[in-house]
Amino acid sequence: QQQVKQSPQSLIVQKGGIPIINCAYENTAFDYFPWYQQFPGKGPALLIAIRPDVSEKKEGRFTISFNKSAKQFSLHIMDSQPGDSATYFCAARNSGNTPLVFGKGTRLSVIA
Amino acid sequence: DAGVIQSPRHEVTEMGQEVTLRCKPISGHNSLFWYRQTMMRGLELLIYFNNNVPIDDSGMPEDRFSAKMPNASFSTLKIQPSEPRDSAVYFCASSFARGLRNRSPLHFGNGTRLTVT
Repeated sequence: QQQVKQSPQSLIVQKGGIPIINCAYENTAFDYFPWYQQFPGKGPALLIAIRPDVSEKKEGRFTISFNKSAKQFSLHIMDSQPGDSATYFCAARNSGNTPLVFGKGTRLSVIA
Repeated sequence: DAGVIQSPRHEVTEMGQEVTLRCKPISGHNSLFWYRQTMMRGLELLIYFNNNVPIDDSGMPEDRFSAKMPNASFSTLKIQPSEPRDSAVYFCASSFARGLRNRSPLHFGNGTRLTVT
């Protein structure tokens, strides 16, 4: 059973565009929602994270939007650059000492 | 800090052979996780340890898979015998958890790419 559903699988945008990656979850006990960025040959690395007590969090060009009632959250990348080309994973976990569950990933290509 | 260290980076083996993947977590971290990544299934949790004790191994696909954590600085994932469908990238990750809500971010190693022919 996939606990976090991520879309799209792949995304191509022009430099300067704003790619948006979406995730949906079912488990209302989830209370921590990170996004991870993975470059080829590397492990995923934490990019930005949000808790459900806020609806938006921004760090540099990366923004998470969170909709608790819809059980959805999304990643926006402002002014995207070719260096942002990577695979992005959303994830979630609850407040217990439990592991993260990951979405299947979105392969983003930013073309110049 | 050297980060999470995994070895080998690449492993090519023949079906039926035993494969051992190794992981050194970040010093001071008390939780360790093994994930497997494939195109079809994404990142799947195989097993995780807290304070060197296996907590949940329900993600281990079959009895051919086993994992150990003999001390706080070392873990192994063993596949015996290996099969072509085990081909994937295996990641080790670690974090520090104190209580239910105080946990550091998950740090991943760079993975071991396993190819079973």
